[in-house]
Amino acid sequence: AQSVTQPDIHITVSEGASLELRCNYSYGATPYLFWYVQSPGQGLQLLLKYFSGDTLVQGIKGFEAEFKRSQSSFNLRKPSVHWSDAAEYFCAVGAGDSGNTPLVFGKGTRLSVIA
Amino acid sequence: DGGITQSPKYLFRKEGQNVTLSCEQNLNHDAMYWYRQDPGQGLRLIYYSQIVNDFQKGDIAEGYSVSREKKESFPLTVTSAQKNPTAFYLCASSMPTWRSLGGTDTQYFGPGTRLTVL
Repeated sequence: AQSVTQPDIHITVSEGASLELRCNYSYGATPYLFWYVQSPGQGLQLLLKYFSGDTLVQGIKGFEAEFKRSQSSFNLRKPSVHWSDAAEYFCAVGAGDSGNTPLVFGKGTRLSVIA
Repeated sequence: DGGITQSPKYLFRKEGQNVTLSCEQNLNHDAMYWYRQDPGQGLRLIYYSQIVNDFQKGDIAEGYSVSREKKESFPLTVTSAQKNPTAFYLCASSMPTWRSLGGTDTQYFGPGTRLTVL
């Protein structure tokens, strides 16, 4: 069975600083990996996803993530954080091989941005 | 506009009452999902349906029921048997790899319903 660990519950960064949110997954085969963002009281919005190919994937809002199979990681990065990036971020893993199987989500990392 | 709608946005329930949360999608997706979100707990799967007239229990199905009579709709009923129903409920849908363009099993989420038990 798949599992996801987001080691950081809460991160605070200064506006303009770089950001890295960590995600470690457990899955025997090649995983399908996702990052979602959630603003307070809202649904989840897809930031980016990895299925195969280039291990560095680009997403919306200037985010990128790198899949490292040897480390079972899929960390999310942004070179310069904006105040509007303050939100909760969820990493998720899917099996994908059988189609339409539920994703397994991490518990999330809350990002605060200070001036 | 294609998307997923959930209603109502806020719902209040008295102890002992059943309530039904609505989820509708016009994305022509086959699969739909219900998640429960509590602070610090991430998303926990309640039920999912891969096709009309079929659904499977998730990790925390006790006290909940669903139906999938139409492809577009996947309502969730929170029954009186659910001991702690106050939470944020999220509905999602997805399309399988072999039918999607450039994506696979990507789940798209509705805006959520916040249920509070009084």
